[in-house]
Amino acid sequence: EAGVAQSPRYKIIEKRQSVAFWCNPISGHATLYWYQQILGQGPKLLIQFQNNGVVDDSQLPKDRFSAERLKGVDSTLKIQPAKLEDSAVYLCASSLMINTQYFGPGTRLTVL
Amino acid sequence: EDKVVQSPLSLVVHEGDTVTLNCSYEVTNFRSLLWYKQEKKAPTFLFMLTSSGIEKKSGRLSSILDKKELSSILNITATQTGDSAIYLCAVETGANNLFFGTGTRLTVIP
Repeated sequence: EAGVAQSPRYKIIEKRQSVAFWCNPISGHATLYWYQQILGQGPKLLIQFQNNGVVDDSQLPKDRFSAERLKGVDSTLKIQPAKLEDSAVYLCASSLMINTQYFGPGTRLTVL
Repeated sequence: EDKVVQSPLSLVVHEGDTVTLNCSYEVTNFRSLLWYKQEKKAPTFLFMLTSSGIEKKSGRLSSILDKKELSSILNITATQTGDSAIYLCAVETGANNLFFGTGTRLTVIP
């Protein structure tokens, strides 16, 4: 079974630039999550989708972050404009149920 | 505010040692507690605990939940260098999402 796919694996941008990350969940997984993991901290949930609907985006900084899952399968997370403090690993996960989340390899973002 | 605290933050042991990692939580609506192992980038699932006092075991790893003390421990016996990783504790809350602790970084030296 293929796992959660993410791209790119690494991204370096300058502050105020825009960036987008892509995630393709495990086939059949209705729930998709985006997490932000800052160095030395645990993952923090940014947004949770159930199919193409948003379940929870309470911790998403909506002034600069946006995410969509238009067809209920793959998803994109965008940051516009990026700040230095956005440097982190962005993890995508998918699940059939909450307690069996499968994580992708992540995208390491460095904002200079 | 929901809180998950792990201790110690980091730990260095020799191969063959036994380690105990701690996780305590304060959340408004507890559903379950999960342990993950994180090497490189992606956390991988280890255990899910919902009932107090029932030990979950997988090889040299075991975990138990104490709902009275709002805590859980993860034990690793006869540690190996391959156990070196960050161990994350997460609590599933009534908001139907996972709230992670900061993790314990375990380093096992030969």
